[in-house]
Amino acid sequence: LAKTTQPISMDSYEGQEVNITCSHNNIATNDYITWYQQFPSQGPRFIIQGYKTKVTNEVASLFIPADRKSSTLSLPRVSLSDTAVYYCLVGDGNTPLVFGKGTRLSVIA
Amino acid sequence: EPEVTQTPSHQVTQMGQEVILRCVPISNHLYFYWYRQILGQKVEFLVSFYNNEISEKSEIFDDQFSVERPDGSNFTLKIRSTKLEDSAMYFCASSSLAGGWNEQFFGPGTRLTVL
Repeated sequence: LAKTTQPISMDSYEGQEVNITCSHNNIATNDYITWYQQFPSQGPRFIIQGYKTKVTNEVASLFIPADRKSSTLSLPRVSLSDTAVYYCLVGDGNTPLVFGKGTRLSVIA
Repeated sequence: EPEVTQTPSHQVTQMGQEVILRCVPISNHLYFYWYRQILGQKVEFLVSFYNNEISEKSEIFDDQFSVERPDGSNFTLKIRSTKLEDSAMYFCASSSLAGGWNEQFFGPGTRLTVL
């Protein structure tokens, strides 16, 4: 299972774009990259998933370079309600979700 | 929007007692999961369930744990004899497709406190 490394915490002001980068140097050919969000005392919530290049949905964008050894979750114009822990997960669908410690994003007014 | 529900939201029990945590997955989903999160720690996979049998389980999911889908809607996690270290948030999740890499929908969790 590919190991992921992401910053422990980040701070941002409201209205700014936030980019959280995740390293996954030993990602396998069949692996996808998935990001989940977790608010305090709530279950994780799926944000976005990708395999390569760029994926965008109504919540975020996911940028994956050609070598796929890293990925960047981009949150446009964050608000206080985006304060949460963000998890980067890598896998091929045949193994359970393995959560790391994630990145704790604090949005400041 | 359909959602996963869990009951109770908070369960307090004495060490050694049996507890049953209940989940109602999204109605057309076929794959079900239990995770736990000890306070301040990572979300940990416990077990996955499909077609009325366990698909995969972690080392945490020992003989004290069992899962069941007693009817067409509920999915339960039973802990036979609770220990202090079982105190955690327990999350149920479900998905419509195979594999853990399709979107899993998590419930709000049950906070289990073992005294």
